[in-house]
Amino acid sequence: IQMTQSPSSVSASVGDRVTITCRASQPCSSWLAWYQQKPGKAPDLLIYAASSLQSGVPSRFSGSGSGTDFTLTISSLQPEDFATYYCQQANDFPLTFGGGTKVEIK
Amino acid sequence: QLQLQESGPGLVKPSETLSLTCTVSGDSISSSNYYWGWIRQPPGKGLEWIGSIYYSGKTSYNPSLKSRVTISVDTSKNQFSLRLSSVTAADTAVYFCARIAYCSAGYCYGINAFEIWGQGTVVTVSS
Repeated sequence: IQMTQSPSSVSASVGDRVTITCRASQPCSSWLAWYQQKPGKAPDLLIYAASSLQSGVPSRFSGSGSGTDFTLTISSLQPEDFATYYCQQANDFPLTFGGGTKVEIK
Repeated sequence: QLQLQESGPGLVKPSETLSLTCTVSGDSISSSNYYWGWIRQPPGKGLEWIGSIYYSGKTSYNPSLKSRVTISVDTSKNQFSLRLSSVTAADTAVYFCARIAYCSAGYCYGINAFEIWGQGTVVTVSS
């Protein structure tokens, strides 16, 4: 299953609402995860099963979608949210990641 | 608290075999609820799943790497390992190990995502 993220990068300001989309080449039910990665660090899980918030993740992060179209929304961007975000389908092997979306400071 | 730690040589020569080990602490690798996986990230690029292994030894590999990859598990040491043969400069990357739920017949025995990651280890392929 090929995962296509858009946009590849976005410039935004603190307080902005940011939306990132992920499209799967085949349906993957709701087995879709979102990760945040900062430079030099391992990715952190934000959302699993398309819309379930991982423990400890701020509620400004939310996920939605099913089938082939998924969305990650940051409701009010904070300084610590500037990072790269990846989607990943967990419906079936081989597991696949999207190409990433870099959220930059405007 | 569950922790994963990658270890292995940071420099590998072209055409040789890359070997890495992930040591699991704070949980048993023999848990029937999880797969254990390897993911890599070339410099400046995105994430690529390499493969995963179940405690029983059942494996699944990325088709693009399958001919060169072997993942094994040592339950007595609470470790799992990656071997990647015939490496080239394109295999230069940060290599991560991580845990993901085991799923069967639509039911998952944990969080079906890479919930726990190691810190990653840099492997450079160069002569």
